[in-house]
Amino acid sequence: GQNIDQPTEMTATEGAIVQINCTYQTSGFNGLFWYQQHAGEAPTFLSYNVLDGLEEKGRFSSFLSRSKGYSYLLLKELQMKDSASYLCAVMDSNYQLIWGAGTKLIIKP
Amino acid sequence: GAVVSQHPSRVICKSGTSVKIECRSLDFQATTMFWYRQFPKKSLMLMATSNEGSKATYEQGVEKDKFLINHASLTLSTLTVTSAHPEDSSFYICSARSLAGERNEQFFGPGTRLTVL
Repeated sequence: GQNIDQPTEMTATEGAIVQINCTYQTSGFNGLFWYQQHAGEAPTFLSYNVLDGLEEKGRFSSFLSRSKGYSYLLLKELQMKDSASYLCAVMDSNYQLIWGAGTKLIIKP
Repeated sequence: GAVVSQHPSRVICKSGTSVKIECRSLDFQATTMFWYRQFPKKSLMLMATSNEGSKATYEQGVEKDKFLINHASLTLSTLTVTSAHPEDSSFYICSARSLAGERNEQFFGPGTRLTVL
């Protein structure tokens, strides 16, 4: 079956760095997405990786290793507004998005 | 990025009534639109995939006669929850994939909060 695993909840301090991991097993691979979702709102796109390596975009970076079925989202210089759920999603061979359950990130002052 | 709108953003209805939710791609044409529901503190659950001009493909366990989907044009898809019951109360989110989209990205609407009394 298809499976996406990510931690349920993480806590970090304002100004610090946090890494949210995601491992996946899917039928085929057409890219991995990270989305941010604040409570009561729809997800918003953060990053997309289809090749191995690190993609950097401001305070956020995303890494992919296809051979290991592994990705992480790195958030630097954490701000209180970064408190949200972070969803990992993999696009399978049918171009369907397979979603992880999300990681709730709690930022403390 | 591309913009997807959803209407209404919030609806409260009585049990037994039907509710229609619209999803529009405002500045691009969407070959495919997706309908999700999300329960509190849970991840997105894909309900169905709709392609313009053809019947929607429903995920296992989703009743197609209860959740009617119409994708009449390249910019509009509607989800009708028929004979709604309290257990249908949820957050419904649509997303759209562009004809000319790079990276196969899906653009999400803001969601519709449905409460069935």
